[in-house]
Amino acid sequence: DGGITQSPKYLFRKEGQNVTLSCEQNLNHDAMYWYRQDPGQGLRLIYYSQIVNDFQKGDIAEGYSVSREKKESFPLTVTSAQKNPTAFYLCASSLRILYEQYFGPGTRLTVT
Amino acid sequence: GQQVMQIPQYQHVQEGEDFTTYCNSSTTLSNIQWYKQRPGGHPVFLIQLVKSGEVKKQKRLTFQFGEAKKNSSLHITATQTTDVGTYFCAGDRTSYDKVIFGPGTSLSVIP
Repeated sequence: DGGITQSPKYLFRKEGQNVTLSCEQNLNHDAMYWYRQDPGQGLRLIYYSQIVNDFQKGDIAEGYSVSREKKESFPLTVTSAQKNPTAFYLCASSLRILYEQYFGPGTRLTVT
Repeated sequence: GQQVMQIPQYQHVQEGEDFTTYCNSSTTLSNIQWYKQRPGGHPVFLIQLVKSGEVKKQKRLTFQFGEAKKNSSLHITATQTTDVGTYFCAGDRTSYDKVIFGPGTSLSVIP
């Protein structure tokens, strides 16, 4: 069953803790992305990766970090430096950069 | 920087009425993509337009790319409750390596 998976669906953390969100795809896509969505808002790009071992900052990268050691995986770490981490986080992938994107089901992170 | 805008932000229609959302860019786009996100769900790709003046149809949905490749529209004929959701456009500039999403238009359909 091909697709893109994110885990967990819901995540609760205390303020000051780093947390890592998982994103895995078995679509053999080169490009992967992380977006943040706040209630009633659009998608804001956090980081993206065009190919393994390479990634670029998006529009709101501060307080976040990523790695792309494997083609299938693009984990996102929300660090304690991120001032307002509570949000819905969406991971996506595409065959190449700028191609149509396939989104995972998302992770709702709540930090209190 | 490049901006992609969408209007309206919200639209409430009676079931059976038509609906249109407009997407406008401050710069010329090489292509435009449309996505739909159902409430509580994730965005799903609908279509990509590449050519100037291109029109594509998917059942009751009609997508159009402007002649100047700076704007696009999505028109839904005779809306149904299954059309409820937020519609996003996303565009990229030539030689730009990322797609910019618009803020979306949220559609509510009153049965």
